[in-house]
Amino acid sequence: QITLKESGPTLVKPTQTLTLTCAFSGFSLPTSRVAVAWIRQPPGKALEWLALIYWDDDKRYNPSLSSRLSITKDSSGNQVVLTMTNMDPVDSATYYCAHRGGIYSDPFDYWGQGTLVTVSS
Amino acid sequence: SYELTQPPSVSVAPGQTARISCGGNSIRKNTVHWYQQKPGQAPVLVVHDDRDRPSGIPERFSGSNSGNTATLTISRVEAGDEADYYCQVWDTRSDHYVFGTGTKVTVL
Repeated sequence: QITLKESGPTLVKPTQTLTLTCAFSGFSLPTSRVAVAWIRQPPGKALEWLALIYWDDDKRYNPSLSSRLSITKDSSGNQVVLTMTNMDPVDSATYYCAHRGGIYSDPFDYWGQGTLVTVSS
Repeated sequence: SYELTQPPSVSVAPGQTARISCGGNSIRKNTVHWYQQKPGQAPVLVVHDDRDRPSGIPERFSGSNSGNTATLTISRVEAGDEADYYCQVWDTRSDHYVFGTGTKVTVL
């Protein structure tokens, strides 16, 4: 059974760096040839894809945010970390991590519960 | 960048059929997935690869993809289908992922 869970601060100040962790079970990123993505959703707004990391450590970023984002996986293969620099109040959102299957066009078939991040001084 | 456009809202009476469009340039060349999101919950995949249903999703949910429009169809709508729905593709040209603008389905 695949599960994912996001963790991190609920409140960050403007200009600070946000670090979120996605801990998952039911698969191992290096061995399963799958990918893990981060997706966010501001209150009352649409989903927005942020970043994705493949089993082989290849990475993709939303071009509109790429200069501020970094996605990494830990050596255990069971955690993925997203960092976003220079946070602004417009970055306030629920941040989700999600599992994507082994093909580039595969859907995000498992999602974490999401973690709400508020950016405010 | 590739964009997916959905109607902001769709209203439907119980027992009737809801159709949610997802417009994108030559979207037929992409594989489309659909997610249902109820208030306060994470999105749930309801249709993948244009027209396939994950295990546990009722047959009332179906999809199609042709030309510049993909469509999610919900037959025999129930009160429990009231939610936001999002389409999503992997843009082959940019190697990026794109979500639609979202549609709120209201059951009258």
